[in-house]
Amino acid sequence: EADIYQTPRYLVIGTGKKITLECSQTMGHDKMYWYQQDPGMELHLIHYSYGVNSTEKGDLSSESTVSRIRTEHFPLTLESARPSHTSQYLCASSEMEVSTEAFFGQGTRLTVV
Amino acid sequence: KNQVEQSPQSLIILEGKNCTLQCNYTVSPFSNLRWYKQDTGRGPVSLTIMTFSENTKSNGRYTATLDADTKQSSLHITASQLSDSASYICVVSAKTGANNLFFGTGTRLTVIP
Repeated sequence: EADIYQTPRYLVIGTGKKITLECSQTMGHDKMYWYQQDPGMELHLIHYSYGVNSTEKGDLSSESTVSRIRTEHFPLTLESARPSHTSQYLCASSEMEVSTEAFFGQGTRLTVV
Repeated sequence: KNQVEQSPQSLIILEGKNCTLQCNYTVSPFSNLRWYKQDTGRGPVSLTIMTFSENTKSNGRYTATLDADTKQSSLHITASQLSDSASYICVVSAKTGANNLFFGTGTRLTVIP
């Protein structure tokens, strides 16, 4: 089992609410990622980070924001949730070297009603 | 354009039978290729990694092959078990680029008794 944790696992929330999805890893990895995955579809990168105070947008445009104040912590925030944000969000981490494995968290299934 | 394509999209097989999943990619410059297994509602877990010089690698009942010339990989599952039911995702890493992980859409495998 990889040492990367996401909370909550499931979240149902009303439109317009602010939410933060938590992701923590204890492997000391510098690189962290957030992916969005709809059922039966591929993973799309929405944010990534190379280390503390580094955040970049991924290939898929997202209204969410991220922060990286500590190496082990990479939370994702939606200021105002909408039904279109309903999806599964997967957090991952890896070492800086290109060939290393990306370890994934269990995911957060978000439903906005 | 860096792309990863997998086939078939879905597959249903009887318990005990073998199957082969395909992955074609156009990622360049190529670093490595990983096969991940993703159980429903969970994060992907790495099964095997293939580098440029490797043709075949086994992990228990899973055997991956790589043809770097034709840019094709396959994942062969022997003597399938019910627990093999999952999505299998091909992920190709490029040597360069800020976002160097490219994901296939996955093959959804269902093993039935």
